[in-house]
Amino acid sequence: AQSVTQLDSQVPVFEEAPVELRCNYSSSVSVYLFWYVQYPNQGLQLLLKYLSGSTLVESINGFEAEFNKSQTSFHLRKPSVHISDTAEYFCAVSSVWFGNEKLTFGTGTRLTIIP
Amino acid sequence: ETGVTQSPTHLIKTRGQQVTLRCSSQSGHNTVSWYQQALGQGPQFIFQYYREEENGRGNFPPRFSGLQFPNYSSELNVNALELDDSALYLCASRPYRDTNYGYTFGSGTRLTVV
Repeated sequence: AQSVTQLDSQVPVFEEAPVELRCNYSSSVSVYLFWYVQYPNQGLQLLLKYLSGSTLVESINGFEAEFNKSQTSFHLRKPSVHISDTAEYFCAVSSVWFGNEKLTFGTGTRLTIIP
Repeated sequence: ETGVTQSPTHLIKTRGQQVTLRCSSQSGHNTVSWYQQALGQGPQFIFQYYREEENGRGNFPPRFSGLQFPNYSSELNVNALELDDSALYLCASRPYRDTNYGYTFGSGTRLTVV
């Protein structure tokens, strides 16, 4: 079984300030890790993912996340946020076992950017 | 690529009724998964289909069923609707054995059961 904990349900941040959205996971097997973003009244968009290799992964819009196996974490960071980053962010894990790749999501973190 | 299209976008049903939600996947995306996202929650895995067969299921009762068609479209059927079935239903598709795990999500169908 696997689970995901997003420690903050809401994070308000001033524009151009840095932000960290926390994610911890639990799994008895190796996992892949993902961050998805959901804008109001829309579906999920993949922000970034860790499959293997470098533990630091980056997205095209300035977000980055670091896989920490010892702490079972995959926190999302951005050094300077913009109004357009206002959205719900979901951390997710997937088993590496082929045939069992369902995504298990956390409960989400609502990021609100304050002008 | 045309993305993943879901229909309808919104739906209101009465408790006890049956509902069918539809999803049209990208060409070549022969694996489709359905998720239920209740208000304020993360998406929950319902089931996955590959080559028109269910090959994975989450903790949902049998009144949640699905179909997948050769043209990359699929359906989620829910019988005997309950008030707790009110949620956003998301369809996600990808190519089979896609080692990049490129799930593509639709915008969802918001179902309200009254």
